Amino acid sequence: DTGVSQDPRHKITKRGQNVTFRCDPISEHNRLYWYRQTLGQGPEFLTYFQNEAQLEKSRLLSDRFSAERPKGSFSTLEIQRTEQGDSAMYLCASSFYSGLPLYNYGYTFGSGTRLTVV
Amino acid sequence: AQKVTQAQTEISVVEKEDVTLDCVYETRDTTYYLFWYKQPPSGELVFLIRRNSFDEQNEISGRYSWNFQKSTSSFNFTITASQVVDSAVYFCALFSSGSARQLTFGSGTQLTVLP
Repeated sequence: DTGVSQDPRHKITKRGQNVTFRCDPISEHNRLYWYRQTLGQGPEFLTYFQNEAQLEKSRLLSDRFSAERPKGSFSTLEIQRTEQGDSAMYLCASSFYSGLPLYNYGYTFGSGTRLTVV
Repeated sequence: AQKVTQAQTEISVVEKEDVTLDCVYETRDTTYYLFWYKQPPSGELVFLIRRNSFDEQNEISGRYSWNFQKSTSSFNFTITASQVVDSAVYFCALFSSGSARQLTFGSGTQLTVLP
């Protein structure tokens, strides 16, 4: 297991099309996160899963966005009817959460999927 | 609400110079974690350090050192004897175990080390 994998690395799509990204986390990690990073900014939180349950969604995640983690392993992020404003890097991260309140959270990020909507 | 401010948008130094990247954070929680990540042109976020709010000891790792001061809510990062390979965008991030269960990032500092 070499880390968090994201596919594809790059995606160019026409406005109005649907796109789907995949993230494969580190196998023993139970939490999976999606972030979005626009040019010149830091990553912004979109949503996260603990196992297969989606526990939190950001206000950034509009109705056109949906994320799943059906078996608690890989996750997909789908954007429907893409808009030019969706152009960004989509980063996935995973971590292991033990349930202890003072657990020292460590995230591992993937290399991201760069989406360009034309 | 949580916030991380990296006031330096871009820094350029000549190789072998020391450089300090500033980070100021805001949180109402007493338990939190601070991180620094490096993002080279390839795009992957590379973890550098994690510090919890109860540990104010400074840390040194090779050419990297971190100065955590709760009194000023700052977590600054110094690279000693910078190298061209240090050129990247550096992000400071905050994780608060109370109000928000996700990382809040600053806007990043683009460091360019010139040969």
